[in-house]
Amino acid sequence: GQQLNQSPQSMFIQEGEDVSMNCTSSSIFNTWLWYKQDPGEGPVLLIALYKAGELTSNGRLTAQFGITRKDSFLNISASIPSDVGIYFCAGRQGGSEKLVFGKGTKLTVNP
Amino acid sequence: NAGVTQTPKFQVLKTGQSMTLQCAQDMNHEYMSWYRQDPGMGLRLIHYSVGAGITDQGEVPNGYNVSRSTTEDFPLRLLSAAPSQTSVYFCASSTSGTSVYEQYFGPGTRLTVT
Repeated sequence: GQQLNQSPQSMFIQEGEDVSMNCTSSSIFNTWLWYKQDPGEGPVLLIALYKAGELTSNGRLTAQFGITRKDSFLNISASIPSDVGIYFCAGRQGGSEKLVFGKGTKLTVNP
Repeated sequence: NAGVTQTPKFQVLKTGQSMTLQCAQDMNHEYMSWYRQDPGMGLRLIHYSVGAGITDQGEVPNGYNVSRSTTEDFPLRLLSAAPSQTSVYFCASSTSGTSVYEQYFGPGTRLTVT
């Protein structure tokens, strides 16, 4: 099936730093979503994107739907310890009712 | 609202045993789905349902059955457990319309098959 390539696989940063991660595909997607998973819990939706070029913020998080519709980006500004977790991108292709998930970016924030 | 609930939280099975993972939501969501999460693999869709009485296969359906007799419940059945089914299983639900892909996840069931 269709795969999403998410990078980087892991990040180790200092508290206060900004973070960027991305998700790419060889195919066009009509919807991009970003989720965060804390240890031992289910993923929680952070941001949903529905239009190419769309830029959406949720507090210190900002995500963009790439113009080519084959990628999406997530930025976290001024990281704090509670940002620790695994961040997943997910996408939906046109005509499909299914979401495809990336393999995740594991974020560690050192205080 | 309790949101999406899953039981049990942990389960150990022997190879060949069968069991049902329970999932319920109290948000009147039409869309429900089951994913499995393996280390380094992200989430992979097993089965999904767009409404009561309607189910369809996802990416990795083999070895699993589902049914959707009510809007609230979407159980996942393992017919004959295998070690390859050791995983964390997540149920998710969402409303219909443009928000159908904004899924709410349950806390997961951690299954070990020996």
